[in-house]
Amino acid sequence: DSGVTQTPKHLITATGQRVTLRCSPRSGDLSVYWYQQSLDQGLQFLIQYYNGEERAKGNILERFSAQQFPDLHSELNLSSLELGDSALYFCASSSGIRAAATSGNTIYFGEGSWLTVV
Amino acid sequence: AQSVAQPEDQVNVAEGNPLTVKCTYSVSGNPYLFWYVQYPNRGLQFLLKYITGDNLVKGSYGFEAEFNKSQTSFHLKKPSALVSDSALYFCAVSLRNSGNTPLVFGKGTRLSVIA
Repeated sequence: DSGVTQTPKHLITATGQRVTLRCSPRSGDLSVYWYQQSLDQGLQFLIQYYNGEERAKGNILERFSAQQFPDLHSELNLSSLELGDSALYFCASSSGIRAAATSGNTIYFGEGSWLTVV
Repeated sequence: AQSVAQPEDQVNVAEGNPLTVKCTYSVSGNPYLFWYVQYPNRGLQFLLKYITGDNLVKGSYGFEAEFNKSQTSFHLKKPSALVSDSALYFCAVSLRNSGNTPLVFGKGTRLSVIA
């Protein structure tokens, strides 16, 4: 158990709909990362938050947005869903602002949220 | 920009034999390198990382990896494979002192250990 908690584990929704994925980082971790895993694209970095502020942005679509709340949990909002958005969405956390800036900054992943768009 | 290549989509090895999962990287500076494993229907689990120092890094479940700067490689190894090692393995790289550059992952290598 990595200590990163994601809900829901599975979600089926229709095209055009909006969903919210939730993540609670490991206790004490200030950075939260969102990744998308699909068969054709592999693991793609979406976005990183550190202590409530956006710190890095990857291949995140404009239809997607995220935020990190004062209690450090994070939500990933996916809107106007398309079939191609079906994927496994991972949340990860680390203690520092940079991945592996020190030996303590390993990124730990949650179990993921399976999103199926039908 | 940094990138990671895992040249083999699939590696098959007999139980008890040594295993190697290959990874090469490309960065414009000094890298941090990681290996993660994903079991079916599970998240990614951290195995080991190279930060600095000894080029041979030992990690969880008997795995180790060797950082080779001249060959820009970070191959994952285990002396004796177990059937339970069958999983999807990801190599990842982050650029040292890069500010907020996140981990970049390879496409993964599926390891199948045959009894």
